[in-house]
Amino acid sequence: DAGITQSPRHKVTETGTPVTLRCHQTENHRYMYWYRQDPGHGLRLIHYSYGVKDTDKGEVSDGYSVSRSKTEDFLLTLESATSSQTSVYFCAISSGPEFFGPGTRLTVL
Amino acid sequence: EDKVVQSPLSLVVHEGDTVTLNCSYEVTNFRSLLWYKQEKKAPTFLFMLTSSGIEKKSGRLSSILDKKELSSILNITATQTGDSAIYLCAATGAAGNKLTFGGGTRVLVKP
Repeated sequence: DAGITQSPRHKVTETGTPVTLRCHQTENHRYMYWYRQDPGHGLRLIHYSYGVKDTDKGEVSDGYSVSRSKTEDFLLTLESATSSQTSVYFCAISSGPEFFGPGTRLTVL
Repeated sequence: EDKVVQSPLSLVVHEGDTVTLNCSYEVTNFRSLLWYKQEKKAPTFLFMLTSSGIEKKSGRLSSILDKKELSSILNITATQTGDSAIYLCAATGAAGNKLTFGGGTRVLVKP
């Protein structure tokens, strides 16, 4: 939907390993976002980007980094995954309202 | 810090009932309020409201914004089991088009 894909869709990894999630859009939108969704916390913004190489932190950015080297791709990296980062991760693009990708379910054992 | 609060947390209704969901916000330099529906996957966009007092409608769903009261309501009339979902409210404020989300209202419609 809305030309957004996320990969992988599911991932299981071990504590301490690096993990990179990819968000790809075909809509040429300037703004892209990474959220995590956890029971009891709703959707929380991790990082966002307002253009190539332009990124900023959201409310829960600790332990995460992002990169945007091309308009269409926004990468989220967990340098050293922890069990508290087990979550569902959504990428979104903004064209007025935000439209969400299908999500990535990440489990950190 | 920007904040969005939704109520009730959850509700159970029967098919045909009308439900009203509430959303209140405290957002610096408020710009717009959005409603999303989330079933077992990604949130899907329902409405974006920027002007106070103007109702937006889509079928059995409608929403209105009250900027004086810093709030919005989402109404669902003649509910169906397919309306069962989590309904999310979010607000945008100052920079970056960032959305601040409420915790959601879980609606269960029983046949």
